[in-house]
Amino acid sequence: DQQVKQNSPSLSVQEGRISILNCDYTNSMFDYFLWYKKYPAEGPTFLISISSIKDKNEDGRFTVFLNKSAKHLSLHIVPSQPGDSAVYFCAASGDGGSSNTGKLIFGQGTTLQVKP
Amino acid sequence: SQTIHQWPATLVQPVGSPLSLECTVEGTSNPNLYWYRQAAGRGLQLLFYSVGIGQISSEVPQNLSASRPQDRQFILSSKKLLLSDSGFYLCAWGSDRTGGELFFGEGSRLTVL
Repeated sequence: DQQVKQNSPSLSVQEGRISILNCDYTNSMFDYFLWYKKYPAEGPTFLISISSIKDKNEDGRFTVFLNKSAKHLSLHIVPSQPGDSAVYFCAASGDGGSSNTGKLIFGQGTTLQVKP
Repeated sequence: SQTIHQWPATLVQPVGSPLSLECTVEGTSNPNLYWYRQAAGRGLQLLFYSVGIGQISSEVPQNLSASRPQDRQFILSSKKLLLSDSGFYLCAWGSDRTGGELFFGEGSRLTVL
């Protein structure tokens, strides 16, 4: 039962163009969503998040969009840089980020390659 | 500042041998602690989480167990490893003060032969 799904295992874009990574979820109780970036043999690092009360959150080159009716979120990276090449995981939480468990449910990940 | 460390970074073990991966957090108190495993095609799978000393919740049935003997220490164990236990194991911490974010350790690569 995959509650958070990233259906594209990989994405390749040219440097300077936009990267769009997609994520779908099935549990309507999720109310907090995050994106993590992971390099090989390292732990994931937090990138950006969005609460379900918003539909957009922007941080520099990174923007996350949330469509609650479609249970879909996406991460936009503009402009893409070679250093952005990594695996990107979306994650969801059903507790607003303030419960006593705080566990995150992750998608399968999308490998982004940005070509110079 | 808070830090999280896990070890060993790399481990090669024969089938049937025991396992112990350790994780410690510094700079915070009463954190929530988590063990995840990265498996091909399945992303980061939550294995165990703990909201306090001695409190362990298991997310999936498996050959592994977890313990939290101290507030900032989380241990992943197995009495007898299986080939299917091979993977990249990640420890993470979070709390009410981190706004829903989890912070991950460097990861431990386990190869069972």
